[in-house]
Amino acid sequence: DAGITQSPRYKITETGRQVTLMCHQTWSHSYMFWYRQDLGHGLRLIYYSAAADITDKGEVPDGYVVSRSKTENFPLTLESATRSQTSVYFCASGQGSYNEQFFGPGTRLTVL
Amino acid sequence: GENVEQHPSTLSVQEGDSAVIKCTYSDSASNYFPWYKQELGKRPQLIIDIRSNVGEKKDQRIAVTLNKTAKHFSLHITETQPEDSAVYFCAAPHFDGGYNKLIFGAGTRLAVHP
Repeated sequence: DAGITQSPRYKITETGRQVTLMCHQTWSHSYMFWYRQDLGHGLRLIYYSAAADITDKGEVPDGYVVSRSKTENFPLTLESATRSQTSVYFCASGQGSYNEQFFGPGTRLTVL
Repeated sequence: GENVEQHPSTLSVQEGDSAVIKCTYSDSASNYFPWYKQELGKRPQLIIDIRSNVGEKKDQRIAVTLNKTAKHFSLHITETQPEDSAVYFCAAPHFDGGYNKLIFGAGTRLAVHP
């Protein structure tokens, strides 16, 4: 699915550093999402966006910031990374509440 | 908020057997129930979904059943093949401030042995 991409694919950082994960989709989907995947917890929603300049919190938003100035991009920033934020991060996009979500390839983030 | 419980967490079957994964949800207003499959090292992908106006939906070897009264839904895979080995996630929506957010279960790791 070349329509949704994430960068970087792998990132190692240190506690306290700011990290930004990028997400780009080419389908012009209205909705975009950020999930984190940890063993035993499945996929947990961090933030979502219903359209450009409209964002809202998900289940686990603390420590994260998002923005969406353009429909196709939805960056996720960890303002001051902590070890508990070590995880695999998936971006997804879709057309609405009851439609398929298309996931990006994921970013594996390690915070030392 | 919505709570989605998924069982079992791991499932091991012989090739050709059937596999069943069950999920329960708490929000009685939920009316859309997707299932995602995630192969090792890959991204989750939708394999089937069901809406609350039907009780069962089939697509070749996979089917999903829904019991709204009991608030549970299940994924059934028949004639399992090694390529069915993956982690499967169920999900249910929870309405929260203008959008039905998907709440995912913790996942079931299915291993199909030749």
